[in-house]
Amino acid sequence: NAGVTQTPKFRILKIGQSMTLQCTQDMNHNYMYWYRQDPGMGLKLIYYSVGAGITDKGEVPNGYNVSRSTTEDFPLRLELAAPSQTSVYFCASSTRQEAEAFFGQGTRLTVV
Amino acid sequence: RKEVEQDPGPFNVPEGATVAFNCTYSNSASQSFFWYRQDCRKEPKLLMSVYSSGNEDGRFTAQLNRASQYISLLIRDSKLSDSATYLCVVRTDSWGKLQFGAGTQVVVTP
Repeated sequence: NAGVTQTPKFRILKIGQSMTLQCTQDMNHNYMYWYRQDPGMGLKLIYYSVGAGITDKGEVPNGYNVSRSTTEDFPLRLELAAPSQTSVYFCASSTRQEAEAFFGQGTRLTVV
Repeated sequence: RKEVEQDPGPFNVPEGATVAFNCTYSNSASQSFFWYRQDCRKEPKLLMSVYSSGNEDGRFTAQLNRASQYISLLIRDSKLSDSATYLCVVRTDSWGKLQFGAGTQVVVTP
């Protein structure tokens, strides 16, 4: 079972470059989330979506954008990358409010 | 004040011993509570949900105290494989947003 798949696993960006982190899930989950985790810190919510066409900001949305055109896909766009965006990014999905969230394996991004 | 706070540890635990730690949350309207486990540089995985009446899963026991706004996790008969960071997770609103604590590191030693 694929579950939640993130690509790429690793990426190095130069300051000012842009990129899209891909996230797809094959579990037909309505809820999807993007988190970032800095070293020694907890996960911070960037954006989330409760269904196709519906997205909302989380705790740290600045510098990021998302879209949710299908149930399966929830890409995260970084515009004008900055060193402060160096982090590990996790995508997650769940069926409903009380259900377990399943995570992808993460994308390790370094901005230099 | 952070929405979810945890003692970062590390808790150094001899193999076979019991370890317990808490997590406090600030939003009294929080609806759902979980413990996740995260191994080094890996994705978090659900360890157990936390129910109002408390619940047990093998060597793991979780408790919820709504009055004092904390949840706890107790690990009995610790194994080397229990070494990990344990994340306290709270669902704070009807939209389903999950708030994560920074984690409590547990190191089980032989």
